[in-house]
Amino acid sequence: GENVEQHPSTLSVQEGDSAVIKCTYSDSASNYFPWYKQELGKGPQLIIDIRSNVGEKKDQRIAVTLNKTAKHFSLHITETQPEDSAVYFCAALEDSSYKLIFGSGTRLLVRP
Amino acid sequence: EAQVTQNPRYLITVTGKKLTVTCSQNMNHEYMSWYRQDPGLGLRQIYYSMNVEVTDKGDVPEGYKVSRKEKRNFPLILESPSPNQTSLYFCASRDVSGANVLTFGAGSRLTVL
Repeated sequence: GENVEQHPSTLSVQEGDSAVIKCTYSDSASNYFPWYKQELGKGPQLIIDIRSNVGEKKDQRIAVTLNKTAKHFSLHITETQPEDSAVYFCAALEDSSYKLIFGSGTRLLVRP
Repeated sequence: EAQVTQNPRYLITVTGKKLTVTCSQNMNHEYMSWYRQDPGLGLRQIYYSMNVEVTDKGDVPEGYKVSRKEKRNFPLILESPSPNQTSLYFCASRDVSGANVLTFGAGSRLTVL
């Protein structure tokens, strides 16, 4: 089945800097890769997703890139702000079961 | 407001005392699922349901039960809780057609002593 690995587990950046979180997946048949943001005391919420027919997707300060050959995808946050501090989860949709497999999460801290 | 509601949000209980965590969604979603979140392990699926009266095991179903008698409700039952079930639990739902976007509840933090 699908396996998703996420790095780093924690990331601390200065406000205004960029942050990059990377994930790798094992099932080459997977074709949907969402990113969820979990703020303190709340449930995860979808912030951006990408399908396998595109290599990059942007939404204001956040972007996701996908390399299907290498089976990895990344979340890029530019001009980070304190409100970006949260736990971020990547996920891949397992083709055989149609189930989302999540990475282990990255705790991002943006220092003012 | 479209949402998934879980109760209780916090619970401390003792080993062996049966408990139920309720989950309700108001979006008419067919698919509902329970996850547990543990440090360093991410979100692991416990059980899921594709529709009323249809439930299946996820990756970590041991020690849990679920039922889906109505479309909007998907309770998680711990018949005899043990300390290794101390965790943060999330219920989620989504429409089975189109996008695969999961809507999560706010979470239920369970401590089993």
